[in-house]
Amino acid sequence: LAKTTQPISMDSYEGQEVNITCSHNNIATNDYITWYQQFPSQGPRFIIQGYKTKVTNEVASLFIPADRKSSTLSLPRVSLSDTAVYYCLVGDVENRDDKIIFGKGTRLHILP
Amino acid sequence: DTGVSQNPRHKITKRGQNVTFRCDPISEHNRLYWYRQTLGQGPEFLTYFQNEAQLEKSRLLSDRFSAERPKGSFSTLEIQRTEQGDSAMYLCASSRDQVEQYFGPGTRLTVT
Repeated sequence: LAKTTQPISMDSYEGQEVNITCSHNNIATNDYITWYQQFPSQGPRFIIQGYKTKVTNEVASLFIPADRKSSTLSLPRVSLSDTAVYYCLVGDVENRDDKIIFGKGTRLHILP
Repeated sequence: DTGVSQNPRHKITKRGQNVTFRCDPISEHNRLYWYRQTLGQGPEFLTYFQNEAQLEKSRLLSDRFSAERPKGSFSTLEIQRTEQGDSAMYLCASSRDQVEQYFGPGTRLTVT
């Protein structure tokens, strides 16, 4: 499983766009990139998943450059309730690699 | 809401005692996962089931830990002869496909 590297923490302000970048230099051909969000005392929650280029849903966008060695989670117009830990994960989804390896994640703190 | 449920939410036990946790996955999900999370760390994979078959176990799962999913529905995680190092949040997740895992709220175990 490819190892990921993310900033330990980030601060931003309400209404700003927040971009969290994750490095995964050893990503394999079959690996997908997945992001989860976790609030205190709750289990992680799936945000978005992608393989290449750009993926967008109602919550976030995921940008993946052509070499796929990094990815950026973009949260538009954050609010205080977006304060959470965000995990970037890389894994081979199609070949039944169900084991998810979480790192320490990025602790995002939104300020008023 | 028919999300993943876990019971109990909190458990305090004395060192050396046995504890058992229960996870009820989302009903149509055939895959069930157990994770352990300590403060400031991301969740660590313990084991997973596809239906009633336990397909993978982490090296973290010592012989004091056992998990079952007897009818492919709910699952139990038992820890025998608990140690203080077992204190953690135990998370359960389920999925129907390989895109997204749905996590429960967790069981917080404190071993005194």
